[in-house]
Amino acid sequence: DAKTTQPTSMDCAEGRAANLPCNHSTISGNEYVYWYRQIHSQGPQYIIHGLKNNETNEMASLIITEDRKSSTLILPHATLRDTAVYYCIVRVVGYSTLTFGKGTMLLVSP
Amino acid sequence: GAVVSQHPSRVICKSGTSVKIECRSLDFQATTMFWYRQFPKQSLMLMATSNEGSKATYEQGVEKDKFLINHASLTLSTLTVTSAHPEDSSFYICSARERLAGGLRETQYFGPGTRLLVL
Repeated sequence: DAKTTQPTSMDCAEGRAANLPCNHSTISGNEYVYWYRQIHSQGPQYIIHGLKNNETNEMASLIITEDRKSSTLILPHATLRDTAVYYCIVRVVGYSTLTFGKGTMLLVSP
Repeated sequence: GAVVSQHPSRVICKSGTSVKIECRSLDFQATTMFWYRQFPKQSLMLMATSNEGSKATYEQGVEKDKFLINHASLTLSTLTVTSAHPEDSSFYICSARERLAGGLRETQYFGPGTRLLVL
């Protein structure tokens, strides 16, 4: 699976949008981009995934660049409960497992 | 999203004893389940992949005789840590894969984790 690069940490003010970047310059055509987050002492929580089109659900939006070499996870109105480690993972559906890197520690402050 | 449960949420045991952790997919059938381990301040590390009705596939460095995995049904997988030692103390997390729409919309959901402390 292609490797991803994420910033180690980010800060965001409560109520503002949190934009978490991810670089995956070696992504293959059949690899999806997945986002998970892990709140302290809990199991990872699925957020969203996509192939090439932008995706939106009740939790977040996923913006994938046209060349698919990078993506951005957007939490439109961050709350204190969104403080967590966010993982960007690329994988081929049906052929590989999720491999977790170090992720981005997002701290949402009042 | 789909729900995956784990039991127990935390367990303390004496060195040399065995501990069994259960993982259940509550509202979907999971032909494939995964077991991860996470040490403090580290990321999740995959231990093994199990398919319903067949033997688990272990990652390099994970002892299959120490970490016994059973995936007897489409909704239940168990991890048994045999002859536990203090270095086995960790956060164990299971995951189950749900496939929709002919496999093109595939998502992996995680349980809440089990914290094991071996004294």
